[in-house]
Amino acid sequence: EAQVTQNPRYLITVTGKKLTVTCSQNMNHEYMSWYRQDPGLGLRQIYYSMNVEVTDKGDVPEGYKVSRKEKRNFPLILESPSPNQTSLYFCASSLLAGGLETQYFGPGTRLLVL
Amino acid sequence: RKEVEQDPGPFNVPEGATVAFNCTYSNSASQSFFWYRQDCRKEPKLLMSVYSSGNEDGRFTAQLNRASQYISLLIRDSKLSDSATYLCVVEYSSASKIIFGSGTRLSIRP
Repeated sequence: EAQVTQNPRYLITVTGKKLTVTCSQNMNHEYMSWYRQDPGLGLRQIYYSMNVEVTDKGDVPEGYKVSRKEKRNFPLILESPSPNQTSLYFCASSLLAGGLETQYFGPGTRLLVL
Repeated sequence: RKEVEQDPGPFNVPEGATVAFNCTYSNSASQSFFWYRQDCRKEPKLLMSVYSSGNEDGRFTAQLNRASQYISLLIRDSKLSDSATYLCVVEYSSASKIIFGSGTRLSIRP
């Protein structure tokens, strides 16, 4: 089954404690991205990757890091989480850049930073 | 001003009604347009792409007006299962920038 998986699905942490949210897709997609969704603001793109070892900043990259060492994985790293990073995070992948018609979203990760 | 703006709603309409949403975008360099549907606490899912010539998929019709910089979604004969949040999405130059609207909530009542 074609899917994007994220782990963990729910996470409560404290300010400053490094965390990683994993994202994996099994569709051999080239393009992957991370979004955060906050009430009244919609989804905002954090980082995206056009292919292995190619990443770029989206609209709200501050406080986040990503890596794309393998095609299937695109982890989101919060080196020192802060309460303003409490949000719902979605990973997404699509066959190619510019291919939103083929975009799949992961189920989301709810993060609470205390 | 937001790059992509939607009326947040909620729109509360009876089953069987026709309902329409608009979405405006500010950057004329926008290339591709989409409507996504998001159910409560779930991931967004593509509803339909929006083409300049307009397109229809069953009860759903999407239109693009480049001159006025807006896209629209029309839902005819609405069903209870249409209750969701509808997100307008604008994509610039090969996904180098993707902007989601904040969504319009639709609630269909029996």
